[in-house]
Amino acid sequence: AQKVTQAQTEISVVEKEDVTLDCVYETRDTTYYLFWYKQPPSGELVFLIRRNSFDEQNEISGRYSWNFQKSTSSFNFTITASQVVDSAVYFCALAFAGGTSYGKLTFGQGTILTVHP
Amino acid sequence: DGGITQSPKYLFRKEGQNVTLSCEQNLNHDAMYWYRQDPGQGLRLIYYSQIVNDFQKGDIAEGYSVSREKKESFPLTVTSAQKNPTAFYLCASSDDRGHGGAHFGPGTRLTVT
Repeated sequence: AQKVTQAQTEISVVEKEDVTLDCVYETRDTTYYLFWYKQPPSGELVFLIRRNSFDEQNEISGRYSWNFQKSTSSFNFTITASQVVDSAVYFCALAFAGGTSYGKLTFGQGTILTVHP
Repeated sequence: DGGITQSPKYLFRKEGQNVTLSCEQNLNHDAMYWYRQDPGQGLRLIYYSQIVNDFQKGDIAEGYSVSREKKESFPLTVTSAQKNPTAFYLCASSDDRGHGGAHFGPGTRLTVT
């Protein structure tokens, strides 16, 4: 069975602070995808990143960066110089990469990030 | 622009009534999914369909039914057998050609009283 754990239920920071959202996963699959989604107050899930289990390179996209460590089964997400617009619920998710339903995701419980001005 | 449409945004029903949530996509994706989100929780998979006229139960299928008569459409019926139907329902699709992940619709917030 797959499991995704986001231990941080809520995080509150002041604008311009850096913040890291933790994600730990469990899976017996050798090939899998990891994802981060953002859910703003409107409710729609916005795709942020996908990482294949074969690719442990860290990735940076603007103020966002992701640290994937297979050895610790973690896929952490860092926002540098946070902004009020980053306030949202962030979900980490996992999908088996060897099947044919790549949208069949196992989600963590989400982390509510609030960035104060 | 391609995307997923879910209507309505808010839906209210009386207990004991069946209600159908619509989901339409123009992304030409083969697979479609229904997820349920409860406050403070992650999304849980209700049903998914990899191809027209075929669908599979997810983790919490009890009290729900679906159909997939067209590639573009995947309606979800919340039946009176669903004990706690009030939730936020999200439809998604994926192309399943190795790209991984799902594209989500805006969601329907269902309230049953």
